[in-house]
Amino acid sequence: EVQLVQSGGGSVQPGGSLRLSCAASGFTFSGYSMNWVRQAPGKGLEWISYINTISTTIYYADSVKGRFTISRDNARNSLYLQMNSLRAEDTAVYYCSKDGWEAWGQGTLVTVSS
Amino acid sequence: ETVLTQSPATLSLSPGERATLSCRASQSVTTSLAWYQQKPGQAPRLLISDASNRATGIPARFSGSGSGTDFSLTISSLEPEDFAVYYCQQRNELPLTFGQGTRLDIK
Repeated sequence: EVQLVQSGGGSVQPGGSLRLSCAASGFTFSGYSMNWVRQAPGKGLEWISYINTISTTIYYADSVKGRFTISRDNARNSLYLQMNSLRAEDTAVYYCSKDGWEAWGQGTLVTVSS
Repeated sequence: ETVLTQSPATLSLSPGERATLSCRASQSVTTSLAWYQQKPGQAPRLLISDASNRATGIPARFSGSGSGTDFSLTISSLEPEDFAVYYCQQRNELPLTFGQGTRLDIK
């Protein structure tokens, strides 16, 4: 069974940092590109980042470019999102998703507030 | 950036009725459009890829159609578990974008 299990969310003050993790199982992680998507409370979905299988192609939404860094460790079957300089508007549930978009993590809440 | 506009914002129907949800793109996305269902507290669930291909395990009552800028998702006969929020997503170009969602409510 394909599973994406997320960890690392929580509360942080504006300007702070958090690192999200997404642990993959049930499929050959190194063979799939991955994405991060977020959803602000009561709002719609926003794609924020993409990484290909060997980390040579990476894209970001303008809203997070320069502040967030996507990475992966194929040996550990894990995807990461390093979030720096966090703002109140980054408050959201963050999801990882496997390329093809049929598998999603359970979501992790990030709250940025003073 | 390709903007996706979904209509209606809310659709109130009864079980057994037919639902038709619309998604219009600000520019052509060819057939690179997907539909998702989301229930409260859950991750989105992929229903349709490439405008009309049902994802694995999705019931046949869900169907998608369209190309270019106009797309629709049809649920032929609503089941109680179908009442949720539905999003379209374009995968034709970066940034990937989602519509604002259509809430399907029980009448």
